[in-house]
This record gives sequence, structure tokens and C-alpha cells, in this order.
Amino acid sequence: AQSVTQPDIHITVSEGASLELRCNYSYGATPYLFWYVQSPGQGLQLLLKYFSGDTLVQGIKGFEAEFKRSQSSFNLRKPSVHWSDAAEYFCAASPNRDDKIIFGKGTRLHILP
Amino acid sequence: NAGVMQNPRHLVRRRGQEARLRCSPMKGHSHVYWYRQLPEEGLKFMVYLQKENIIDESGMPKERFSAEFPKEGPSILRIQQVVRGDSAAYFCASSPPRGSDTEAFFGQGTRLTVV
Repeated sequence: AQSVTQPDIHITVSEGASLELRCNYSYGATPYLFWYVQSPGQGLQLLLKYFSGDTLVQGIKGFEAEFKRSQSSFNLRKPSVHWSDAAEYFCAASPNRDDKIIFGKGTRLHILP
Repeated sequence: NAGVMQNPRHLVRRRGQEARLRCSPMKGHSHVYWYRQLPEEGLKFMVYLQKENIIDESGMPKERFSAEFPKEGPSILRIQQVVRGDSAAYFCASSPPRGSDTEAFFGQGTRLTVV
């Protein structure tokens, strides 16, 4: 069955430290991949997406993600986090651009001052 | 170009009442998706609609839930005889016709509380 797995429910990092959030997918073929961020009580904001091409994808707010076919992974990274990055992050996948998107359970990011 | 608009943002219903959630897609978008987010969980797909057609309703509960996307007007997610377990955030997303080079955009959600 198609699925998206985010193995870390909570992650805590210090402000200014680097960040990597893990995401693995299980699909028959390489899906379209997304990372969304959700602040408390808010909707979803798209950080970045991968459809094809360069496997290192740049997004908004200084985030990037790397698609690794051999590992079925699409990990999100940021070199230096800011307190405003505290939020919930969702990895998501879709078999094509306009099919339903399946979400992981999310990783809640906490930032230490 | 306004984004995906959902209303109301917050909705309180007593057990047994009906809840109607509305979603107006972005201009030019003909596809609408509904998702439900339970507390402390990710988003679960419910239904995918095009104008006047249900494309995929594999995530819809078998009873009390229905969705429509009429030729004119917003998409409606309807929950009849609500129960406490229906309390959740309901998100709508819209996307352009197939083949367009863009992804789905999400609304701010409707937070349903059943008391």
C-alpha cells in the first residue's frame, strides 16, 4: 500500500543548529513529493516539492530537501534553525500532480533558545 | 488571486446536528480534495471531486458524510448527525485541471467542535 513514514514524532534542536527531518515513502513508482509546514491552529504551507529533475530541491524559508531513490527518502534540511521554525512538518506524496496526496503523521519541531 | 477559501473557520455543533463545511477553490481550479486532521495526527484523505463528479471517495466514512462540488458555487462537505468523534480540522485543497504544472493548494481549514 502507498504510504509516507515520518519516523520522528518530536524533534528538539537549539536555535542556530542544523536540522534534518526524515521522510520515507512506499510507492510502486517514484511519486511526487512534498513538505508542508503547519503552525498551531493554522493551515498548511508548502515548503517545497519534487516532481523530477535535480534531486536537491530548494524551498522557502531556507529549507531544502534531497530525494534519494535508493533509500526511498525525501529528508528535509535547514542549516540553521530560527525560533520561528517551531511548527509541525508534514511530508507528503502523490502518484502524480493531481491525484490525492498522502501525508505522513508529522514531526513536531521544538526550538530551544 | 485569492487562495483557497474555507468557511466557516470555526464551527460548533451539538451532537445530532448537521455540519456544512464550504470550500471555494482558487480561480481556475477545477479539482477539490477534502482532508480531515484529528488532534495530534496527520491529514487523512477523504474525497476528491471535480465539478459535478466524485472521482475518489475511498477515504469517506460510509455513513453520515457526503461531499459535492456543483457546477456553480463552492464545494460542500456535509456531516449529518454529528458525533463527538467528528471533532477535527477539515482541510480543503484545490488544483487546476490535469496536466497543469502546479500542485494543490490548501485552505486554512474549518475546525469543527461537537459538544
